[in-house]
Amino acid sequence: EIVMTQSPATLSVSPGERATLSCRASQSVSNNLAWYQQKRGQAPRLLIYGVSTRATGIPVRFSGSGSGTEFTLTISSLQSEDFAVYYCQQYNNWPPLTFGGGTKVEIK
Amino acid sequence: QVQLGESGGGVVQPGGSLRLSCAVSGFTFSNYGMHWVRQAPGKGLEWVAVIWYDGSNKYYADSVQGRFTISRDNSKNTLYLHMYSLRAEDTAVYYCARDAYNPPGSYLDDWDQGTLVTVSS
Repeated sequence: EIVMTQSPATLSVSPGERATLSCRASQSVSNNLAWYQQKRGQAPRLLIYGVSTRATGIPVRFSGSGSGTEFTLTISSLQSEDFAVYYCQQYNNWPPLTFGGGTKVEIK
Repeated sequence: QVQLGESGGGVVQPGGSLRLSCAVSGFTFSNYGMHWVRQAPGKGLEWVAVIWYDGSNKYYADSVQGRFTISRDNSKNTLYLHMYSLRAEDTAVYYCARDAYNPPGSYLDDWDQGTLVTVSS
């Protein structure tokens, strides 16, 4: 099973600032990596797939990068609606699909 | 517009059973693999099970293997999760989600609102 590790667990950022979230895989997942956003009390929402492709309707301030075992989600200028928990997920080697533990982006 | 509507959650005693349903609309259900993913209170996401678009293949997380059964009725556009021998650690919000690829094995591009299952005496 591929273990996904996200850091930091919590990220405190001021509105308008840049946020950088990390995700590491225990072995290479190639480019089979997705990111999700989950707001309190809501279902997860797909943000990015294939490392860097934004899902339909996702603003350009969200971008993904990386390859192999190291990946990054960047939010270029945080808006109030971006404060949420973010999860990475690998789909290169499954079952099982595996998720990271999440990074909570909170208001500084 | 893709819609997934879940039902069947509630409180059940340890050792008990429950069936979750996920009714979908807005896309051709029979063309997509479907997953169940759960989230324990205050915790992260845990993949539970997947079923192929035609029901021909099913896979489970080790934590539920032998106790949960995923199924689907394409004539009713409905996904199911039959849960048996429930344990306290199965307490979670359960989500059904659509796999973006056919056959499945990728990212999950649509999720329902989730239903809470509480296992407690």
